[in-house]
Amino acid sequence: DAGVTQSPTHLIKTRGQQVTLRCSPKSGHDTVSWYQQALGQGPQFIFQYYEEEERQRGNFPDRFSGHQFPNYSSELNVNALLLGDSALYLCASSWAGTRNLGYFGPGTRLTVT
Amino acid sequence: GESVGLHLPTLSVQEGDNSIINCAYSNSASDYFIWYKQESGKGPQFIIDIRSNMDKRQGQRVTVLLNKTVKHLSLQIAATQPGDSAVYFCALGKDDKIIFGKGTRLHILP
Repeated sequence: DAGVTQSPTHLIKTRGQQVTLRCSPKSGHDTVSWYQQALGQGPQFIFQYYEEEERQRGNFPDRFSGHQFPNYSSELNVNALLLGDSALYLCASSWAGTRNLGYFGPGTRLTVT
Repeated sequence: GESVGLHLPTLSVQEGDNSIINCAYSNSASDYFIWYKQESGKGPQFIIDIRSNMDKRQGQRVTVLLNKTVKHLSLQIAATQPGDSAVYFCALGKDDKIIFGKGTRLHILP
């Protein structure tokens, strides 16, 4: 049973560019949450998707947007990249029928230069 | 709002000894609390959780204690092994999102 997978593993972008990160949830899970983890910090909640809609959102600007597909996979898009967006982006999946214990993927390391 | 914080950024423990990692949280109506382990280059890995109506829960080599009176959470790891070396996060679950603290790095001394 594959766990949560994310792509790409690493990414280098320039300020002002746009980036798309991808996530496939664990088999049987229908809810995807995205987190940003800056170096030396705990993950910070960005938003959560369920039934192809954003269900709740953390304290992140509109430059951060997402999408969920019918197969429950998800994308995180960040526009107009800033140096401060450099971080590890984590995807976690869960099943709406149980409490969210956050089964995390390995993350995508984004570096903005 | 809710927040969690760990007492120590780093903890060094002799191999074979027990480790205790402590965490405090602010006033909240969280449904549950979770401990995660994060190894270098990996995402957080679920260790154990505890519902807010419990005060103790045990897993394999791990025990979580919840003291709601003083808003304190701890993770005890028995017979610490080299493979336990990682950053440990306590987190609280509320409204189906997870709120993390900063993490404690656990070093295992030979």
